[in-house]
Amino acid sequence: GIQVEQSPPDLILQEGANSTLRCNFSDSVNNLQWFHQNPWGQLINLFYIPSGTKQNGRLSATTVATERYSLLYISSSQTTDSGVYFCAVVGNYGGSQGNLIFGKGTKLSVKP
Amino acid sequence: NAGVTQTPKFRVLKTGQSMTLLCAQDMNHEYMYWYRQDPGMGLRLIHYSVGEGTTAKGEVPDGYNVSRLKKQNFLLGLESAAPSQTSVYFCASSDPGRNWGYFGPGTRLLVL
Repeated sequence: GIQVEQSPPDLILQEGANSTLRCNFSDSVNNLQWFHQNPWGQLINLFYIPSGTKQNGRLSATTVATERYSLLYISSSQTTDSGVYFCAVVGNYGGSQGNLIFGKGTKLSVKP
Repeated sequence: NAGVTQTPKFRVLKTGQSMTLLCAQDMNHEYMYWYRQDPGMGLRLIHYSVGEGTTAKGEVPDGYNVSRLKKQNFLLGLESAAPSQTSVYFCASSDPGRNWGYFGPGTRLLVL
């Protein structure tokens, strides 16, 4: 099946700093999503981004499907950005169809 | 819209007991998923369904059964609970081709 790798596994930032989180995937996909899991455990859908670039406030994401990676940018980080960021992909053939497969996440801690 | 709801929110079981976790969604989504989340392991897919009356195995299906008798409900059953099934269980639903991955609040299960 598809492998999803995220880096870095842990990231500590000072409030106001910028960061880039990376997601690599091993095979062709027809969907890629970024999620944020807040400290209370709730999973929040950030971006649906199978290709191209999207922006939502201080967050933006870029997926280069042909090179099998996606990047999540966080600018001017705030303490409320803390939590775990997950990348998830959906395969487009065989046993991966319909599966939403997650990476292990990047744990972000933003210090005041 | 309630989105995705899960019942119960928390449960303690003794080894060998059985239980059913209920997931309900009111968004008319075709796809539904059950994941478990363990420390350091990210979210792992247990079972999923691509439509009413269908189910398929995910990455870690052993010890679990599922049913999708109605489009809006996806049930996860543990026939004989084991301590290794102590985890947080998340249900999710998706609208294929659009924004994927609407998650419920999770169920914390402790098996003693």
